[in-house]
Amino acid sequence: KAGVTQTPRYLIKTRGQQVTLSCSPISGHRSVSWYQQTPGQGLQFLFEYFSETQRNKGNFPGRFSGRQFSNSRSEMNVSTLELGDSALYLCASSLVPGAKNIQYFGAGTRLSVL
Amino acid sequence: GESVGLHLPTLSVQEGDNSIINCAYSNSASDYFIWYKQESGKGPQFIIDIRSNMDKRQGQRVTVLLNKTVKHLSLQIAATQPGDSAVYFCAENTPGNTGKLIFGQGTTLQVKP
Repeated sequence: KAGVTQTPRYLIKTRGQQVTLSCSPISGHRSVSWYQQTPGQGLQFLFEYFSETQRNKGNFPGRFSGRQFSNSRSEMNVSTLELGDSALYLCASSLVPGAKNIQYFGAGTRLSVL
Repeated sequence: GESVGLHLPTLSVQEGDNSIINCAYSNSASDYFIWYKQESGKGPQFIIDIRSNMDKRQGQRVTVLLNKTVKHLSLQIAATQPGDSAVYFCAENTPGNTGKLIFGQGTTLQVKP
């Protein structure tokens, strides 16, 4: 069974641009969560999707948004990029949301904002 | 605010020795904890989990201990191997029907041959 797939793996953008990252969960998994990883802040929760609905959102500005499609694939978008948005963006999937449902992570998308 | 903290940022051990990585959590209502391993250039990889109604859980070469009295979690790796070199994160699943994980800052494990 294929793991969580994130595309692209690397991305370079300039300030003010916007970016869309994609995540394909493990087959059969219906819950997708996104995390931002930086050296200074570690892994921080962005949002969680299940059945095309955002169920939970972390403490990030409105420039960060996401969505989930009927096939459980998810995208996240960052508009008006800032230098501080440079990070590794990780997607994780689980069968359904909630505690005790193991989340499996993809390799991430490395975003560099110049 | 919410936090799951690690005591040591870097742990260096000799190959074959046992490793112990510690973690403190702040939310006494948390009922599920996970350890992840992250190698360079990869996403976090699930190692082992434990529910709050347990004190100990064992896997292959790994053991997780949970002390709810002092809100402390530890990961023990037996006979540490070079392939165990990575950053280890503890994560806390926030109470409720949500998949939101709160991660610690991570501990780098270095295994010397």
